[in-house]
Order: sequence, then C-alpha cells, then structure tokens
Amino acid sequence: EAGVAQSPRYKIIEKRQSVAFWCNPISGHATLYWYQQILGQGPKLLIQFQNNGVVDDSQLPKDRFSAERLKGVDSTLKIQPAKLEDSAVYLCASNYQSVGPDRSYEQYFGPGTRLTVT
Amino acid sequence: KQEVTQIPAALSVPEGENLVLNCSFTDSAIYNLQWFRQDPGKGLTSLLLIQSSQREQTSGRLNASLDKSSGRSTLYIAASQPGDSATYLCALGFQKLVFGTGTRLLVSP
Repeated sequence: EAGVAQSPRYKIIEKRQSVAFWCNPISGHATLYWYQQILGQGPKLLIQFQNNGVVDDSQLPKDRFSAERLKGVDSTLKIQPAKLEDSAVYLCASNYQSVGPDRSYEQYFGPGTRLTVT
Repeated sequence: KQEVTQIPAALSVPEGENLVLNCSFTDSAIYNLQWFRQDPGKGLTSLLLIQSSQREQTSGRLNASLDKSSGRSTLYIAASQPGDSATYLCALGFQKLVFGTGTRLLVSP
C-alpha cells in the first residue's frame, strides 16, 4: 500500500513570496489533515477535510493560508504572503474512518515539506 | 483546552536498557491516544494506537499503557537498540490530534 505522498520535500522562499504544497493521501482515505510543525514543537493541526469539505480550520491563519481538496483526493496548501514565522515542516496525514463501537482513527503521515522563509 | 506534556524532553541511554517515556494530558475525556516516532527530517510513523476503551497495546518490544483517571500514558521500550534513536511523540484525540512536544531518545552502542 502506497503511503501519503507530499511534494516538494524542501522549499526556500523569501518573505512576502507565495508557496504551495501538494499532498496525495492513501487511496480510500476520506479524511485529510494538514499540520504545521515548528522546530522543537509537536505538530499543530491547521485544517481537516472530510472528502472535499472542510471539517475544522479553526487554527488556519486565513489571512495568508488557504487550502483546498478538489474531488476529495489530492490537496494543496498555499501561503501568500509568507512570513518568517511560517518556517516549519508542513505535514499531511490521512485516515480511514472505520465504523462500529471500535472506531479507529489511526492517522498516517507523509514525509512533510520543510519550508524555510528568509 | 487539551494540553499534552512529555517528560523527559531528552533521554540518552546505553544499548540494551529498558526505558519508559511519559505523556500526561489535562483533559481526561479523551478518545484515542497514539504514539508516533519521528526520525530527523522525516514524517511521523505510527507506533501504537490505544482506543479510549482500551488500557494498553503492544507491538514487538513496545508497550503503551493508558490511564485516563490519572491523565497519563507511558511508552515502554524493552531492550533498546541504536535504531530506536528518534523523537517520540504522543497525541490525543479522535480526529483532531493534539500533540506533545516529544521526547528525543538517543541509544548509544
């Protein structure tokens, strides 16, 4: 089974420039997440999609960040304009929601995109 | 608001030792608890998932326990190996995961 794919793996941009990240989840996984991981910290959820609808974007800085998941598969996360504090690893994750009393939401993560804003 | 703390922040042990990593949380009304491993420059690898109705999970040399009443989870690693060197993160939630800051483990030969 192929894992979660992300590209690019690394990106260096200057502040005020724009950048986009791409994620392809595991086949059949309806739920997709974008997390931001700043150096030395745990990942923080930015946005959660269920199929192509947004479930939770309460921690997404909407003045500069946007995300979409067209057709309920691939997703892109965009930052425009970037700030120095956006330097982080952006992780994409997906999961398959099982049903019944023993529901499992085990999340599977991609390798991440390391963004450096100079 | 859920807060997750991991102690210690860093740990260095010689190969072969058994060790325990700790994860504590403030909101006992949790759902699942998941332990991850993160290697430098890489994404997260899921190690164990404990569902809310469970008390522990085991996989190979790893054993994770969950005590909701005390707000704690522990990850036990038996007979540590240099290949276990990584950062270990715990996370709580059903779908929206709240992560701890991790424990950086170094196992020396």
